[in-house]
Amino acid sequence: ILNVEQSPQSLHVQEGDSTNFTCSFPSSNFYALHWYRWETAKSPEALFVMTLNGDEKKKGRISATLNTKEGYSYLYIKGSQPEDSATYLCAFHTSGTYKYIFGTGTRLKVLA
Amino acid sequence: DVKVTQSSRYLVKRTGEKVFLECVQDMDHENMFWYRQDPGLGLRLIYFSYDVKMKEKGDIPEGYSVSREKKERFSLILESASTNQTSMYLCASRTGAGYEQFFGPGTRLTVL
Repeated sequence: ILNVEQSPQSLHVQEGDSTNFTCSFPSSNFYALHWYRWETAKSPEALFVMTLNGDEKKKGRISATLNTKEGYSYLYIKGSQPEDSATYLCAFHTSGTYKYIFGTGTRLKVLA
Repeated sequence: DVKVTQSSRYLVKRTGEKVFLECVQDMDHENMFWYRQDPGLGLRLIYFSYDVKMKEKGDIPEGYSVSREKKERFSLILESASTNQTSMYLCASRTGAGYEQFFGPGTRLTVL
């Protein structure tokens, strides 16, 4: 059974702090790794799709890295703002299947 | 902008009722999905459709069925609702394997 783990489960940081979370996934048969942001009362929104070992993606203050050989991805938020408060989900996609396996998410709360 | 809409944000039904959850996407996506999300668990796939009238069971199909008569619409049916189907239901669509999924806002279903 393929399992995707995210840590920490939840996180409280002060406005202006930088933070990072981890997504761990099986390292075999890798196809893609997705990061989503899910704000309360809204739809999950795609942040990044990462496919190559060593990939680094950036969108504003948010960036992500990917290590497919050891099976992990990091999401970084620089200078957290209250509007960054959300649940961050990662989803692993193995080759040859249609399914994405989602982690349970990291719930981030940024305190003003 | 891709838009995925779901028929209701909140729904309350009684045990034994037949429940229909509707999902519509406007970007001509081939693939559509139904997930449920419960506290402490990742998004779990109920059913997947890769084309009109084509469907495949996900990880937790028991107690559910689906219908895809038109490309833009994917319906989830609870034949006889039970209390353990109280959950948040999310619909998603994507153009193909490996691409980002676009999610609807979710339907929070309560079965009494």
